[in-house]
Amino acid sequence: SAVISQKPSRDICQRGTSLTIQCQVDSQVTMMFWYRQQPGQSLTLIATANQGSEATYESGFVIDKFPISRPNLTFSTLTVSNMSPEDSSIYLCSVTDRGNYEQYFGPGTRLTVT
Amino acid sequence: KQEVTQIPAALSVPEGENLVLNCSFTDSAIYNLQWFRQDPGKGLTSLLLIQSSQREQTSGRLNASLDKSSGRSTLYIAASQPGDSATYLCAPSGNTPLVFGKGTRLSVIA
Repeated sequence: SAVISQKPSRDICQRGTSLTIQCQVDSQVTMMFWYRQQPGQSLTLIATANQGSEATYESGFVIDKFPISRPNLTFSTLTVSNMSPEDSSIYLCSVTDRGNYEQYFGPGTRLTVT
Repeated sequence: KQEVTQIPAALSVPEGENLVLNCSFTDSAIYNLQWFRQDPGKGLTSLLLIQSSQREQTSGRLNASLDKSSGRSTLYIAASQPGDSATYLCAPSGNTPLVFGKGTRLSVIA
């Protein structure tokens, strides 16, 4: 299994500012995923982050709003740019075990935009 | 596009009851299916992973079954406890990453 940590665990931000969320994994993984969970909703995939290439974004999510970095096989960041109250969500980082494709999640970052 | 439905949306039971949570999905071309637990405001904890070639998996009081051809999975919780109170999510995985249902919010009353 993989152990995933995220920073910050929560933050309250002003409208129009940006926040960078960090995700650290205790082992090397090929693919990392970023999800968003809006209040009362299920998880929605934002993008898949592969080391050494640009992230692949899902429909409805764009790089200018959610830039992602993946500098190595154990670390990734997601930036939420020019925030609005609609961005208030839990943001979760996830990785897949290469052996059995089991997916593991970090503890999440709870973002509130005022 | 994979769509996942979980029934019921919410469930409240007295402690000690056995219960079944249902999950259905539209695209049966999956590699596996995972069941997760999510406590309020927290991340997801993986409970069980069923490979597409398997029909069920067990972990303690939890048993998950998979009928890939009919697009259904069930999570059986035996002898429920107040600590089981959480939202339970199922997520099949195919050529794309996990797709989630909206979950079943379970409340076990002591």
